[in-house]
Amino acid sequence: DAMVIQNPRYQVTQFGKPVTLSCSQTLNHNVMYWYQQKSSQAPKLLFHYYDKDFNNEADTPDNFQSRRPNTSFCFLDIRSPGLGDAAMYLCATSVTDTQYFGPGTRLTVL
Amino acid sequence: AQTVTQSQPEMSVQEAETVTLSCTYDTSENNYYLFWYKQPPSRQMILVIRQEAYKQQNATENRFSVNFQKAAKSFSLKISDSQLGDTAMYFCAFIRVTGANSKLTFGKGITLSVRP
Repeated sequence: DAMVIQNPRYQVTQFGKPVTLSCSQTLNHNVMYWYQQKSSQAPKLLFHYYDKDFNNEADTPDNFQSRRPNTSFCFLDIRSPGLGDAAMYLCATSVTDTQYFGPGTRLTVL
Repeated sequence: AQTVTQSQPEMSVQEAETVTLSCTYDTSENNYYLFWYKQPPSRQMILVIRQEAYKQQNATENRFSVNFQKAAKSFSLKISDSQLGDTAMYFCAFIRVTGANSKLTFGKGITLSVRP
């Protein structure tokens, strides 16, 4: 099984203060995903990568950016977090069209 | 476009009993996978079971099994001998098998509570 690691598990930031969430995976899978999940809702896809090919969902706010410096690591940058960005952020990797999720980072915006 | 429907928002079951969670989907694709994911209160999304559409045999993983009815576009999850640790939110999901840019389509999820 894919191993997906997310740091930190809990992140607190202030309104408007940039924050970066990180994700790493141990098996060099080509595909990685970032999701936003709000309470009792299904995850919502923000971005995904196939290798370095970046795919941005049409409704992902410009406030959200992503970087993938190498196969193992992927970052989610929130440039100016608002109260509405408080959520769980899930990273996933994919093997034969099957996605495996990390434990998530819970973001609180004060 | 694909849609996944989980019409029951909540269910409850007594420990050691069997429960079935419903899911229907709509697609014009022939090559796809279906999944059930479990998300306990700790919030990590865990893959429970996968079904390839081209396989007629229903997938089984220990106490978890599916009833895959391709013509009816139905994909229900049966949990046998329910345990307290099965308490979680369960998501049904669909993916079109095309390669690199496949995206999961999730249902809204169902909250399952197992009563002691």
